[in-house]
Amino acid sequence: EAGVAQSPRYKIIEKRQSVAFWCNPISGHATLYWYQQILGQGPKLLIQFQNNGVVDDSQLPKDRFSAERLKGVDSTLKIQPAKLEDSAVYLCASSFTGLSSYNEQFFGPGTRLTVL
Amino acid sequence: GQQLNQSPQSMFIQEGEDVSMNCTSSSIFNTWLWYKQDPGEGPVLLIALYKAGELTSNGRLTAQFGITRKDSFLNISASIPSDVGIYFCAGQLAGSARQLTFGSGTQLTVLP
Repeated sequence: EAGVAQSPRYKIIEKRQSVAFWCNPISGHATLYWYQQILGQGPKLLIQFQNNGVVDDSQLPKDRFSAERLKGVDSTLKIQPAKLEDSAVYLCASSFTGLSSYNEQFFGPGTRLTVL
Repeated sequence: GQQLNQSPQSMFIQEGEDVSMNCTSSSIFNTWLWYKQDPGEGPVLLIALYKAGELTSNGRLTAQFGITRKDSFLNISASIPSDVGIYFCAGQLAGSARQLTFGSGTQLTVLP
C-alpha cells in the first residue's frame, strides 16, 4: 500500500518569495493534516481537512499561509510571502475516518523548507 | 495552546541498556500516543493508549497511560542500534476532532 506522498522533498527560497507544497494522502483517507515541525520541536498542526472541508485552521497564519483540498484528495499548502521563521519541515498526514475515538495518522516524509 | 512537557531532551545509552522517557501535561488527554521519527522521515506510530492506567507493549517497547490522564511514559528494553531516533509523545484532548498535540521529543543515541 502506498504511503503519504509529498513533494518537493527540499526547497530553498529567499525571504518574501512564495512556495507551495503538495501532498497526496493514502487512498481512502478522508482526513488530511498539515503540520509544521521546527528544528528541535515536535510537529505543530497547521490545518486539518475532512474531505474538502476545513475542520480546524486555528493555528494557520492566514496572512501568509493558505491551503486547499479542492477535490477532497490531494492538497496544497502555500506560503506567500515567506519569512525566515518559516524555515521548517512541513509534514502531511492522513487518516481514515472511522467510528473509533482515534484513527491512526500516517505521515509523509515531509518537505524541508529553508528560507534565506 | 496546549503543551506537553517531554523529558529527557536527549539520552546517550549503551547497547543493551533499558531506557525510559515521559511526558506530562497540565491538561487531561483521552488518548496518548508514542511516535518515533528517523532522519528525513515522518513520525511513525509505535504505541497508542486509550484508557487511564492502560499498560501496552509492542515488542521491546512498553508504554503506560497515567492514572491522572495527564502523563505517560515509554520504556525501551535491551536497546539496539536501530532504536536511535527521536521519540515523540502526543496527546489527544477530549472533543478535539482527533487533533494531536506533540511533545518536543527525546533524542536517543545508542552507543555500541
